Amino acid sequence: AQKITQTQPGMFVQEKEAVTLDCTYDTSDQSYGLFWYKQPSSGEMIFLIYQGSYDEQNATEGRYSLNFQKARKSANLVISASQLGDSAMYFCAMREGGNSGAGSYQLTFGKGTKLSVIP
Amino acid sequence: ETGVTQTPRHLVMGMTNKKSLKCEQHLGHNAMYWYKQSAKKPLELMFVYNFKEQTENNSVPSRFSPECPNSSHLFLHLHTLQPEDSALYLCASSQVDRGLSGNTIYFGEGSWLTVV
Repeated sequence: AQKITQTQPGMFVQEKEAVTLDCTYDTSDQSYGLFWYKQPSSGEMIFLIYQGSYDEQNATEGRYSLNFQKARKSANLVISASQLGDSAMYFCAMREGGNSGAGSYQLTFGKGTKLSVIP
Repeated sequence: ETGVTQTPRHLVMGMTNKKSLKCEQHLGHNAMYWYKQSAKKPLELMFVYNFKEQTENNSVPSRFSPECPNSSHLFLHLHTLQPEDSALYLCASSQVDRGLSGNTIYFGEGSWLTVV
């Protein structure tokens, strides 16, 4: 079974509008972390936002926010006020903590969502 | 400017060549990683070095040989590669003693490799 599922291969959004990119995850660990990365066509993987499994508040970083629904095992990325420069691939990823909570080195990625911002 | 720099950004090599990818991190981290990104496949972890010691090798073929001389530098030596090894190779780093929440992985710009 896939650990990270991104069901939207591609999304379009009008400039200045908000968009939600979906991510569901599968883990039996109590301690885990969820990450979102942006990858422009140049190739660099840019860290956007992090949500810990024990965090009670949804993470926010500027125009990015994470809609974390633990019971549903979803961690959707919301981008507000889309800009042309937001056009890129977006990847959801998870690090599982295991019993120690120290975390493993393995960051499991989803297949990504290609976001295109329309002027 | 990225805290993780990779060279070269683009590399074309024949199947009998020997080449190396270089990565340098300027973030003071103690762990470094090589990831492979192929078309239409999720990002795959290849190798992990923690304090210069290799801690993970995810069943990577021996034609890929990593080297970590210190905590700031990481190399991936390539020899007798196959065309299916053509991919984007991403280097990354993190600070592993900050617990799960602090262990964000920061990536470089990647090296696009084409094997002909």
